[in-house]
This record gives sequence, structure tokens and C-alpha cells, in this order.
Amino acid sequence: QKEVEQDPGPLSVPEGAIVSLNCTYSNSAFQYFMWYRQYSRKGPELLMYTYSSGNKEDGRFTAQVDKSSKYISLFIRDSQPSDSATYLCAMTGDNTDKLIFGTGTRLQVFP
Amino acid sequence: DGGITQSPKYLFRKEGQNVTLSCEQNLNHDAMYWYRQDPGQGLRLIYYSQIVNDFQKGDIAEGYSVSREKKESFPLTVTSAQKNPTAFYLCASSSVSTPETQYFGPGTRLLVL
Repeated sequence: QKEVEQDPGPLSVPEGAIVSLNCTYSNSAFQYFMWYRQYSRKGPELLMYTYSSGNKEDGRFTAQVDKSSKYISLFIRDSQPSDSATYLCAMTGDNTDKLIFGTGTRLQVFP
Repeated sequence: DGGITQSPKYLFRKEGQNVTLSCEQNLNHDAMYWYRQDPGQGLRLIYYSQIVNDFQKGDIAEGYSVSREKKESFPLTVTSAQKNPTAFYLCASSSVSTPETQYFGPGTRLLVL
């Protein structure tokens, strides 16, 4: 079993839809949870960063962490075609240098 | 503009050849990382360095080598011992105090001739 599981998609939604992207993990020591957006043939871009449990909102994006269920989510409201990309979750614990990445979910938002 | 640059964008390797991928950052970050990305496998850590003249192996270091002679630079050499080098290579950097927030370069795509 992988430490971090992420559905590869593709997830195809119409413009304006609410998108939900998710990751599950097995290591209860993880405390830091990140979401990266990666456009085709580009490097990942840090989108959201959350420490421990709870919600964090930034514009149309909301990150949620449920440590009791070992489940994290990224919600995108009013999705746009420009949101079409691969979304990678990543996480790590205290006193560690390494990030553990999910395999990424490919999102397509059609006009 | 602060950021991470990688060169070249595309690189072709012949059998038995060593090739070197460049990574430079002007973010004043102490830590730098090299990842390999293959379809369906996410990012896998090759090597990382937290300070000049020191580096550690990641999960898939075999067939790769690195150096860290300057804070700004962390080149990766793909040696002939790496039998399956075709992949997208990504360099990242972070502050040592916040290693969880890594910033990535644009990547180098390595292809074997």
C-alpha cells in the first residue's frame, strides 16, 4: 500500500462546477499538507499549504484536512478552463526533510 | 525575479553517456532537491542537499550523482549506470526552516536516443 493514494482521474467537469480533489494517507505522523498544481510539461506550483487539521481558504480554493480519517481535500469553486491541470497532494511530518507526493489527479474543465 | 531555473529544457542521451542537468536558484534557499517524475508514479526523490558541500540520497539515487559547491547551484548527473533515464526531472528548493514548502523549477525532459 502506498503512503499516499490519489485517484489519477481524469476528472472532467463543466465550467462553473465545484471540483473536489482528494488524497488519503496512512502515516499518522504527517502534519503538513500541500496541494500543487502542475500544468502540462511545467514544474509544480505550490497552491495551498495547511498545517494539521482544519480548513484553509484562498480565493476559489479551499483545502481541508481530516487527520482522524487521514483524508485531505481540495475544493475549487466556480472552476475555469484555466484550472485544467494535474493536481498533486504532498505531505510530510515534523522533523523530516522529505515530501511524500500523491500520483496526481488530472482535471479538465471544459467551457 | 526570484526563482528556480533549469536547463536545458530537453536533453538527449546516447547509450553509455553521462549527462548533466543544471539547476540554479536565487531564492536564497539552503535546501535543494532533485525529483524524477514518470507517468502514473508521482514525484520520486533522487537526492537532496540542506547545505553547501553536503547531500543525501533519496529514494532512487542509484545511477545518479550530484554536487553542491555553491548555495545557488545543485547540478544532477545522470550516469550510464541509470538504465532507464527517460523521465521529467524537477529541481526544487526550500528554506531549511520550512522544508515542507518547496518551490519547483520548470523541469528538464530527458530522452534516450
